[in-house]
Amino acid sequence: LAKTTQPISMDSYEGQEVNITCSHNNIATNDYITWYQQFPSQGPRFIIQGYKTKVTNEVASLFIPADRKSSTLSLPRVSLSDTAVYYCLVGVSGSARQLTFGSGTQLTVLP
Amino acid sequence: NAGVTQTPKFQVLKTGQSMTLQCAQDMNHEYMSWYRQDPGMGLRLIHYSVGAGITDQGEVPNGYNVSRSTTEDFPLRLLSAAPSQTSVYFCASSYRGRLNTEAFFGQGTRLTVV
Repeated sequence: LAKTTQPISMDSYEGQEVNITCSHNNIATNDYITWYQQFPSQGPRFIIQGYKTKVTNEVASLFIPADRKSSTLSLPRVSLSDTAVYYCLVGVSGSARQLTFGSGTQLTVLP
Repeated sequence: NAGVTQTPKFQVLKTGQSMTLQCAQDMNHEYMSWYRQDPGMGLRLIHYSVGAGITDQGEVPNGYNVSRSTTEDFPLRLLSAAPSQTSVYFCASSYRGRLNTEAFFGQGTRLTVV
């Protein structure tokens, strides 16, 4: 499974756009990139998943360059409730049996 | 639709005691798994199952047993609790056979072994 590297922590202010970059230099051809969000005392929650280029849903966008060695999670106009740990995962599937979590990025949104 | 339900939410055990953490899902997911999360760390896979009657070990299986007699339930048994098993335990489930899928997690069980 490809190893991922992401910043340990980030601070932002309410209303700003936040971009969290994840490095995955050894990503394999069949690997997908998946992001999860975890609030304190809760289980992780799926945010977005992609294979290449750009994916957008109602909460975030995921940008993946052509070489797929990194990816960027973009959260538009964050609020205090977006304060959480964000995990970048790489693997052939997002299924429950193959998730490899790193340490994640602690995002703190300030008023 | 309850999703993934874990019980209990909190538990304190004495060293050497045994117990079972319960996990149930109502989404008819084939895949189920157990993770543990230690302070400041990501989740680590303990055991997983790809269907009823089929289980396998993950990254940190020692000290834990699992069984999958039904699609809905995937209990995790601690055979003889040790302080090193103090952690938060999460159960997850997902569909099988889809490359692009997501996992659903329970709310977690916070276990303290004294």
